[in-house]
Amino acid sequence: EPEVTQTPSHQVTQMGQEVILRCVPISNHLYFYWYRQILGQKVEFLVSFYNNEISEKSEIFDDQFSVERPDGSNFTLKIRSTKLEDSAMYFCASSSGGAPYNEQFFGPGTRLTVL
Amino acid sequence: QKEVEQNSGPLSVPEGAIASLNCTYSDRGSQSFFWYRQYSGKSPELIMFIYSNGDKEDGRFTAQLNKASQYVSLLIRDSQPSDSATYLCAVNPFGNEKLTFGTGTRLTIIP
Repeated sequence: EPEVTQTPSHQVTQMGQEVILRCVPISNHLYFYWYRQILGQKVEFLVSFYNNEISEKSEIFDDQFSVERPDGSNFTLKIRSTKLEDSAMYFCASSSGGAPYNEQFFGPGTRLTVL
Repeated sequence: QKEVEQNSGPLSVPEGAIASLNCTYSDRGSQSFFWYRQYSGKSPELIMFIYSNGDKEDGRFTAQLNKASQYVSLLIRDSQPSDSATYLCAVNPFGNEKLTFGTGTRLTIIP
């Protein structure tokens, strides 16, 4: 069964450093998303991406964040200068259709720890 | 007012019984509703989605939607210990691509 994959599973970085989180969405999906979940809190939307551009972003997704689909399979989230409060699980998701029929399938996540 | 509300639990249900999980949402224009299961330390796993008022059944799971009351629920029949997890309700607000999640209900099935 096709699934979303993410690398690395765990990333430890120093405050102020840049990190890139990588995702390979399900192959025939067209819509891609990033969410995050701070420990003990709810899953929060960051950004959605379709047709090689951002279709929606949240207030969390400020100028420190960027997304890219560098090739036909990868989807990346870059955090330019990490802060302590960026420590969270970051989930990539993909769907074959757009809203409202956008059943989103999540990857296993990357645990980001900022020291 | 919170966008998606769920009782955080924990909800304890004996094995073999029916577990009932509830969710309310604030955006009356929301069109699609999802239930995810999340085991501790793992990612959300999609188990049900519903778009129309009424019931939708898939195996042991039934999703119920009442748009007039802005209420969606998930029933789990013949609960198994492996059903013990946090259940997340997610709503697609009108005009958005994002899913808005509730805080989740922690369900424990007691053998």
